[in-house]
Amino acid sequence: NAGVMQNPRHLVRRRGQEARLRCSPVKGHSHVYWYRQLPEEGLKFMVYLQKENIIDESGMPKERFSAEFPKEGPSILRIQQVVRGDSAAYFCASSPDGLDRTDTQYFGPGTRLTVL
Amino acid sequence: SQKIEQNSEALNIQEGKTATLTCNYTNYSPAYLQWYRQDPGRGPVFLLLIRENEKEKRKERLKVTFDTTLKQSLFHITASQPADSATYLCAHPSGGGFKTIFGAGTRLFVKA
Repeated sequence: NAGVMQNPRHLVRRRGQEARLRCSPVKGHSHVYWYRQLPEEGLKFMVYLQKENIIDESGMPKERFSAEFPKEGPSILRIQQVVRGDSAAYFCASSPDGLDRTDTQYFGPGTRLTVL
Repeated sequence: SQKIEQNSEALNIQEGKTATLTCNYTNYSPAYLQWYRQDPGRGPVFLLLIRENEKEKRKERLKVTFDTTLKQSLFHITASQPADSATYLCAHPSGGGFKTIFGAGTRLFVKA
């Protein structure tokens, strides 16, 4: 019974490169959330997706960041032209229903992005 | 804006004692609060949820209280063990229903 899987676990990029973070939700979950965590700070909501739809992207920077959750395959968080300030841990979570109807999110182990 | 405050200073206690962590929230009255545990290098793990009409919730050695007047939740670990050492996060849903707002967490160290 696999939980949320994220890969890669660690990603190193140079400034200006692209970072692609993948998230496979718990089997049967159709709701995915992405969060960013900086050292000594709490998790900050970025985006909420359902299959093929972005429901709420209010926490995601308007430029360089994008997310998708295709009908087949994992959810992808894409950061273009990375800058040092993008260095953080990025966590994905999934739930069987939307958070307006369920209480529990299941988190993945995170991807630690380091921008040199 | 909605905000959650947790004690940023680490809490050091002796094994066997009760650990008490505090979560204060402002600018919102959430329908429930959640507590998560996060170990270094790992994602948060859900522990307990308490609703606004519940004063107290228990699960094994864990106890959570919810005071809507004080806008505060307390998280207790009784008979603490070194394995309880971790960061504990408090969270509540945002008004819109799609997001969860997290506190920065409190680091707990339990010494043998």
